[in-house]
Amino acid sequence: DIQMTQSPSSLSASIGDRVTITCRTSQSISNYLNWYLQKPGEAPKLLIYATSSLQSGVPSRFSGGGSGTDFTLTIRRLQPEDFATYYCQQSHNTPWTFGQGTKVEIK
Amino acid sequence: QAQLVQSGAEVKKPGASVKVSCKTSGYTFTSYAMHWVRQAPGQRLEWMGWINTGNDNTEYSQKFQGRVTITSDTSATTAYMELSSLRSEDTAVYYCARDRSVATIHYFDYWGQGTLVTVSS
Repeated sequence: DIQMTQSPSSLSASIGDRVTITCRTSQSISNYLNWYLQKPGEAPKLLIYATSSLQSGVPSRFSGGGSGTDFTLTIRRLQPEDFATYYCQQSHNTPWTFGQGTKVEIK
Repeated sequence: QAQLVQSGAEVKKPGASVKVSCKTSGYTFTSYAMHWVRQAPGQRLEWMGWINTGNDNTEYSQKFQGRVTITSDTSATTAYMELSSLRSEDTAVYYCARDRSVATIHYFDYWGQGTLVTVSS
């Protein structure tokens, strides 16, 4: 199985900050990488697919990049509704696997 | 707008089985595969398997092979996930998630609200 490691596991940030989350995979997955946001008690919500494509309706302050084994999710100008847990997910090989999550908290 | 509505919470004893449903609306059911993903308390999301709702082909994670069965009912536009031989470690929220793909890159674009399954004696 492809192992997914996110860093950091948690971070504290202020409204308006720029935040970057990293996802590293145990083997190359080309651009088969997706990002989700999850708030407590809710289902995950798709943010970015295929490494850098923004899902319809997702604000443009979210962006994704990378390839191979190293990927990033960047949030420009953090908003109150962005405080949540973020997960990366690979769909290169089954079983499709997720990172352990990065919790973004208010400083 | 696609909607996925799951069945309610379940409490089961160890060794029992549970069947969770995922009723869909707002799109052509057979045009999109359906996945099942679970999340144990405080844990990461875990993919269990998926079904091609057009031809009922399935694929399961090796971890759940032999214990999980994913099915679909086209007339009811509903997908199902049955997990057998339950143990306490199966206590989790179970989600259905619709498959979407661009080229060969798959992702989950719509999710059900989740179903809490508690396994306890």
